[in-house]
Amino acid sequence: GAVVSQHPSWVICKSGTSVKIECRSLDFQATTMFWYRQFPKQSLMLMATSNEGSKATYEQGVEKDKFLINHASLTLSTLTVTSAHPEDSSFYICSARDHNTDTQYFGPGTRLTVL
Amino acid sequence: AQSVTQLGSHVSVSEGALVLLRCNYSSSVPPYLFWYVQYPNQGLQLLLKYTSAATLVKGINGFEAEFKKSETSFHLTKPSAHMSDAAEYFCAVTPRSDKLIFGTGTRLQVFP
Repeated sequence: GAVVSQHPSWVICKSGTSVKIECRSLDFQATTMFWYRQFPKQSLMLMATSNEGSKATYEQGVEKDKFLINHASLTLSTLTVTSAHPEDSSFYICSARDHNTDTQYFGPGTRLTVL
Repeated sequence: AQSVTQLGSHVSVSEGALVLLRCNYSSSVPPYLFWYVQYPNQGLQLLLKYTSAATLVKGINGFEAEFKKSETSFHLTKPSAHMSDAAEYFCAVTPRSDKLIFGTGTRLQVFP
């Protein structure tokens, strides 16, 4: 089946630093990728839709200058949390849409802890 | 607007018992419907999906779901629960606009 990877799987950083998370579709090309945030024991909250070669589309209430998204190729999207603060600590999950099957496949997630 | 309602944030069953996780949807267009499972500290794994073909959909790990348009439901079932089925289950709908709209999730506990 379709495989999506994320790196790193977990990261701890100091407040004020920036953190980059990578999302890769390993065996299919994805013109569209998605970034979600999940708080403990809650559902996934869509942050933004990442489109290859164009600007990401952010959901209402998500700061685009804080959560920078780049989708430079058909297999890679990155999320950079800029000037991270403790309230940014969360589980970040990406997904990639396989247009052949109309299905989103999810990465294993990245746990971010900001001290 | 599309939405998904999962009835019951927690479901507990004994090993070997029937598993029934409920999902009702609202959609102004024929929807695509999905069930995903999430194990602790992991991403989501696709269990099964409905895309307007057969109304009874079989997925992985012995799970299946039936699309009932008249009831706007897409409940997930498994005849016999296994300890390894303990996880969080999410129902999701997409109006084919790429975005997935998730329910709030149901945590399944399986007791020996």
